[in-house]
Amino acid sequence: DADVTQTPRNRITKTGKRIMLECSQTKGHDRMYWYRQDPGLGLRLIYYSFDVKDINKGEISDGYSVSRQAQAKFSLSLESAIPNQTALYFCATSDGYSNQPQHFGDGTRLSIL
Amino acid sequence: GQQLNQSPQSMFIQEGEDVSMNCTSSSIFNTWLWYKQDPGEGPVLLIALYKAGELTSNGRLTAQFGITRKDSFLNISASIPSDVGIYFCAARNSGYSTLTFGKGTMLLVSP
Repeated sequence: DADVTQTPRNRITKTGKRIMLECSQTKGHDRMYWYRQDPGLGLRLIYYSFDVKDINKGEISDGYSVSRQAQAKFSLSLESAIPNQTALYFCATSDGYSNQPQHFGDGTRLSIL
Repeated sequence: GQQLNQSPQSMFIQEGEDVSMNCTSSSIFNTWLWYKQDPGEGPVLLIALYKAGELTSNGRLTAQFGITRKDSFLNISASIPSDVGIYFCAARNSGYSTLTFGKGTMLLVSP
């Protein structure tokens, strides 16, 4: 089983719909992150959480919200999806105590029509 | 904000050739990382560099943390078809800061 699991892997939806992307991890890491990947733009940070009670905005948080339901779960919501939010979304985790690099899930491909 | 300038954007090479890509910034960083992304998957860590001037190898891959702490390079020797993918550099200032990513180098290898 994957250490960082993202669901769904693919989603097509319409403008204005509310969407939730979920991430769960079995690595026991305290830190979790949501990134967005667009062709030619690399990975951009949306939100991050260093523990269950900590939520921080990243570079491109407008139009998104997150919830850290437990140490192992971090969900990303698009309250009212718009076409320019069509992208590949990645969840990542890291162990803050050991200061190790981040581990990524396999991504959710989201298309908004 | 902090930016990483990664080059080249893409490379198309023959199997067996060596590859070099680099990442530069106007800001100083204390950790440099190199990730590879295969099609349909998330980025996977290749090499982590924690000390200025550090040179680290992982099989056919070699990466260096620039002495000025503003750059890093990744070399791949004797490329093979499975080296195909997008390579990202990333950097951060401390364990409490987030990663900044470069825009990636797409590598294509012809058999």
